Amino acid sequence: DSGVTQTPKHLITATGQRVTLRCSPRSGDLSVYWYQQSLDQGLQFLIQYYNGEERAKGNILERFSAQQFPDLHSELNLSSLELGDSALYFCASSARDNRNQPQHFGDGTRLSIL
Amino acid sequence: GQQVMQIPQYQHVQEGEDFTTYCNSSTTLSNIQWYKQRPGGHPVFLIQLVKSGEVKKQKRLTFQFGEAKKNSSLHITATQTTDVGTYFCAVSAGGTSYGKLTFGQGTILTVHP
Repeated sequence: DSGVTQTPKHLITATGQRVTLRCSPRSGDLSVYWYQQSLDQGLQFLIQYYNGEERAKGNILERFSAQQFPDLHSELNLSSLELGDSALYFCASSARDNRNQPQHFGDGTRLSIL
Repeated sequence: GQQVMQIPQYQHVQEGEDFTTYCNSSTTLSNIQWYKQRPGGHPVFLIQLVKSGEVKKQKRLTFQFGEAKKNSSLHITATQTTDVGTYFCAVSAGGTSYGKLTFGQGTILTVHP
């Protein structure tokens, strides 16, 4: 058990819809990362938050947004969903935001777009 | 952005054989991390290498960081069925990219008993 909690585990929805994925980091971790894992693209970094502030952005689509709340949990919002958004979405956390931190991953949310 | 090539993409071994995966970058790396993802699971941090020429061992796993800090390898001695999974290297971007990691494509290891 990594200590990172992601909900829901599975999500099935239709094209054009909007969903929210939730992540609670390990106790004491201030940094949260979101990754997308698909078969053809591998594990892709989306966005990072540290103590409520956006720290780094990856190849995150404009239809996607995220935030980190004062209690440090984070939400990833995906809107106008397309078939290609079907993937496994992981949240990870680390104690701080520098590059020497190991990241601890949650079990992921599997998103299926029908 | 930072890119890293990982080879091979797949490796099938007989239980007891050795296994090695390699990670290569065209630029000098500040550090490199290795993760393992079991089938149906999530990536799990294995180790971080920071120093040029560094070698670290975890039981049957040996991790190396190249002298030029542009490549790394993970070697498993005498594989077991519990070693199956995908092994990823991950590198940090420089500058103000903080903890952002760029993952290699991974090496999928299958072990035949």
